[in-house]
Amino acid sequence: QAGLTQPPSVSKGLRQTATLTCTGNSNNVGNQGAAWLQQHQGHPPKLLSYRNNNRPSGISERFSASRSGNTASLTITGLQPEDEADYYCSAWDSSLSAWVFGGGTKLTVL
Amino acid sequence: QLQLQESGPGLVKPSETLSLTCTVSGGSISSSSYYWGWIRQPPGKGLEWIGSIYYSGSTYYNPSLKSRVTISVDTSKNQFSLKLSSVTAADTAVYYCARHFQLHYGMDVWGQGTTVTVSS
Repeated sequence: QAGLTQPPSVSKGLRQTATLTCTGNSNNVGNQGAAWLQQHQGHPPKLLSYRNNNRPSGISERFSASRSGNTASLTITGLQPEDEADYYCSAWDSSLSAWVFGGGTKLTVL
Repeated sequence: QLQLQESGPGLVKPSETLSLTCTVSGGSISSSSYYWGWIRQPPGKGLEWIGSIYYSGSTYYNPSLKSRVTISVDTSKNQFSLKLSSVTAADTAVYYCARHFQLHYGMDVWGQGTTVTVSS
């Protein structure tokens, strides 16, 4: 059972903007912020952002993250075919002393 | 460039113990501020954190798995390991090892993953 809540699927058109959401509580997303991962079929996840809006080197500026209260968001601008993937949010839960993940959102680029 | 590689049996019998090792290359497992974790993904499902360890041996475990999980580190071999006891078919998954900076930052380096099937 996922600790964070994500919509199962989102569909957007080529070159459009997609916003993915991740809802937690004050012990995880609302406290430590969220990290976002991208996973293409058959490959390991790839970190896109951490602590809300810090991008690792090499990650495109088309990916930006934010947080409002207990909900984190990942915005992808100028959608490309290669953006079609599963996206997971994760956060450290200070009450559980554990990492929790969302169930993942499958992004389809039409 | 830091790389992680999982290794271990691909098939484990029910009720037995799953054992995997993650070998770190291109960097030291003893680097301060970095934690080393195990995450799994059942077929067609999402990611589940199993636990993480610091080079000093300090560990954190998923509460739902804690009674069956042991994670250890061998700094001399630049490796860390996972043992999951009393496995069932529900433990069938791709198992990944990963690094995360501090305890609260995201997992920035991942292994390729290894598939473990629990079956008699």
